[in-house]
Amino acid sequence: QQQVKQSPQSLIVQKGGISIINCAYENTAFDYFPWYQQFPGKGPALLIAIRPDVSEKKEGRFTISFNKSAKQFSLHIMDSQPGDSATYFCAASKTARQLTFGSGTQLTVLP
Amino acid sequence: GEEVAQTPKHLVRGEGQKAKLYCAPIKGHSYVFWYQQVLKNEFKFLISFQNENVFDETGMPKERFSAKCLPNSPCSLEIQATKLEDSAVYFCASSRGTGEKLFFGSGTQLSVL
Repeated sequence: QQQVKQSPQSLIVQKGGISIINCAYENTAFDYFPWYQQFPGKGPALLIAIRPDVSEKKEGRFTISFNKSAKQFSLHIMDSQPGDSATYFCAASKTARQLTFGSGTQLTVLP
Repeated sequence: GEEVAQTPKHLVRGEGQKAKLYCAPIKGHSYVFWYQQVLKNEFKFLISFQNENVFDETGMPKERFSAKCLPNSPCSLEIQATKLEDSAVYFCASSRGTGEKLFFGSGTQLSVL
């Protein structure tokens, strides 16, 4: 049973555009929602994370929007740059427990 | 150091052979997690440790997989009698405590031929 569904599978954006990746979860016990960025040959690196007591969190060009009632959260990358081209994974967990990952989104930012 | 160190980077085994992967968590981190990434996308949780104690092993295929985190030694993940479907990248991650940021290593690419 896939507990975190991620879309789209791939995304192509022009430089300077906004990239939006969406995730939906099923387990209402989840209380931690991070986004990871992964470059080829590297491990995932934490980009930004949110807990369900807030609806939005912004760090630089990256924003998480969280909708608890809909059990959905999304990553917005403003002013996308070619260096942002990577695979992005959403994830969810109960505190201290293992992460359940989405299936990933391959982002390509065209120069 | 400030990074999770995984060795080896690549490991090739014939079907039925043993594979052993190592992970040195960041100094001062109490939690260690092992994940398997197949087809460059899907992550599967295997096992987690709190110091040298197993914290959660619900993801471990127990017949052939085992793991340890002993004091003053790298953590290890061992696969006995590897199968073709074990081919994947195995990631180790560590965190200082519960609810803390998780740091991943660069992974070990296991190829079973």
